[in-house]
Amino acid sequence: QKEVEQDPGPLSVPEGAIVSLNCTYSNSAFQYFMWYRQYSRKGPELLMYTYSSGNKEDGRFTAQVDKSSKYISLFIRDSQPSDSATYLCALREYTNAGKSTFGDGTTLTVKP
Amino acid sequence: DAGVTQSPTHLIKTRGQQVTLRCSPKSGHDTVSWYQQALGQGPQFIFQYYEEEERQRGNFPDRFSGHQFPNYSSELNVNALLLGDSALYLCASSTTTGSIEAFFGQGTRLTVV
Repeated sequence: QKEVEQDPGPLSVPEGAIVSLNCTYSNSAFQYFMWYRQYSRKGPELLMYTYSSGNKEDGRFTAQVDKSSKYISLFIRDSQPSDSATYLCALREYTNAGKSTFGDGTTLTVKP
Repeated sequence: DAGVTQSPTHLIKTRGQQVTLRCSPKSGHDTVSWYQQALGQGPQFIFQYYEEEERQRGNFPDRFSGHQFPNYSSELNVNALLLGDSALYLCASSTTTGSIEAFFGQGTRLTVV
């Protein structure tokens, strides 16, 4: 069983929709929870991260972590065609600066 | 300020050959991590270098080795290539000062035929 499981998708939504992307994990040592966006043929770029449980909002994006359920989510409000990409959740333990454990990604298409 | 740069961008090798991939970290970063991303999967951690030493290693065989130079740039070497080594190889740079963010390069697409 993988340490991080991500809803596989793909996901196709109309412009303006609210998108929910989700991951579950099994390792209780994970403390940092990150979401990356990856466009085709590019490296991942960090969208946002949260530390421990709770919510964090950044513009149209909201990251949510529930450590008791080992469940993390990324919500995108008012989705735009430019949001079309693969979204990867990534988790890491507090002491490991560079090592992250990734989900397999969810490919999102936002149709105009 | 240049971000993380990787070379080459694409590479085709034959089974059994050896390959070297290169990475220059973002200015001010001293730690380099390498990841392998197979098609349709998330990046998998190979190893991390800091102060010219391998500090952490993922579940990859000894055919995968690396090096970090005094200017913090890094190389990933893969020996005895297998068809299954075909993937996007990503380099991520970060600092050891507690910063969360790791910056990724655009990757090297390796195809083994």
